[in-house]
Amino acid sequence: DAGVIQSPRHEVTEMGQEVTLRCKPISGHDYLFWYRQTMMRGLELLIYFNNNVPIDDSGMPEDRFSAKMPNASFSTLKIQPSEPRDSAVYFCASSTMGIQETQYFGPGTRLLVL
Amino acid sequence: DQQVKQNSPSLSVQEGRISILNCDYTNSMFDYFLWYKKYPAEGPTFLISISSIKDKNEDGRFTVFLNKSAKHLSLHIVPSQPGDSAVYFCAASVGGTSYGKLTFGQGTILTVHP
Repeated sequence: DAGVIQSPRHEVTEMGQEVTLRCKPISGHDYLFWYRQTMMRGLELLIYFNNNVPIDDSGMPEDRFSAKMPNASFSTLKIQPSEPRDSAVYFCASSTMGIQETQYFGPGTRLLVL
Repeated sequence: DQQVKQNSPSLSVQEGRISILNCDYTNSMFDYFLWYKKYPAEGPTFLISISSIKDKNEDGRFTVFLNKSAKHLSLHIVPSQPGDSAVYFCAASVGGTSYGKLTFGQGTILTVHP
């Protein structure tokens, strides 16, 4: 299995632009998580899905952030408009049965908003 | 409000010696704790976990200790090896081994010198 796939790996954009991050979870996994890593706050859970349905989005920082999972093999995290404080590494992870140990992380997308 | 804190941003250890990474938490509802390891340009990977009904869990060179009264856990690596050099995140959840939202610390960069 290829593992969790994220694209792009790096994104540089200007303030005010729309940014879309993509994730393909491991086949057969029914949970999908979006995290953000910053130096100050470490890894923060933004939102997670179970069977393509958003379950908890309490970690989404504000309305500029949105996430979708149109099918079991694809999810997007969108930031519109982007701001410099959104600069971080964004990770997608997937798991089966929701058990913590089985959360497999993708390599992350490093986002820089100028 | 940072419910899980790793107060040491970095730790440097000689090969063969013990590495001790610390983590404190404030939420007394947390009942399951995990450590993840992260190499550069990769996503975090699960390392070891402990339930609140235990005070110690061992897996090879890695041992996690939990002190519930102090709301403190630590990861011991003995003996440390250069390949252990990575960022280590502690995480906590409510809900045991079934899915619970993971709350991560900021991470500690471990460097093991040959």
